[in-house]
Amino acid sequence: AQSVTQPDIHITVSEGASLELRCNYSYGATPYLFWYVQSPGQGLQLLLKYFSGDTLVQGIKGFEAEFKRSQSSFNLRKPSVHWSDAAEYFCAVGAASGGSYIPTFGRGTSLIVHP
Amino acid sequence: KAGVTQTPRYLIKTRGQQVTLSCSPISGHRSVSWYQQTPGQGLQFLFEYFSETQRNKGNFPGRFSGRQFSNSRSEMNVSTLELGDSALYLCASSSGQVNEKLFFGSGTQLSVL
Repeated sequence: AQSVTQPDIHITVSEGASLELRCNYSYGATPYLFWYVQSPGQGLQLLLKYFSGDTLVQGIKGFEAEFKRSQSSFNLRKPSVHWSDAAEYFCAVGAASGGSYIPTFGRGTSLIVHP
Repeated sequence: KAGVTQTPRYLIKTRGQQVTLSCSPISGHRSVSWYQQTPGQGLQFLFEYFSETQRNKGNFPGRFSGRQFSNSRSEMNVSTLELGDSALYLCASSSGQVNEKLFFGSGTQLSVL
């Protein structure tokens, strides 16, 4: 069965600083990988996804992630954090099934941004 | 286009009751999936419906069920509620193709007393 580990429960950064959120996955085949963001009381919004091809993926809001098969990682990065980036971030791996995929989510990383 | 709409936004029930949650997908989307989010277990996949058929199912007891109508709207039902069913229930819609993104609703917050 697939699994996702987000080692950091909370991360605190200063506005304008760079950010890296870690994600490690376990899956037997080529994974579908995702990063989502959730603001309080809201649903999830997809930041970016990796299905195949270029291992450096660009997403919305200036985020990017790099798929490293050898390390089973899909870390999320942003060069300069804005106060509005404060939210919960979820990494997910999708296992292909029935013409779609079944997602497994990490426990999330809460991003705190200091002014 | 209107986004994914979930109703009601908040719900309070007592143990043993049953509950039905509703999800209206984005127009044209044929796939609806449901998720349970709790502080203890995190985000977990419940099931996915595509063109009125359950296409995938997560690891939840049979008390959790769902269905999808011909207009792609979906309902999720939980029977014999337990305290541990208190959670934010999220639904998401997509076109149904494997490489298409999911669009999430804001969820229904269910409290079981």
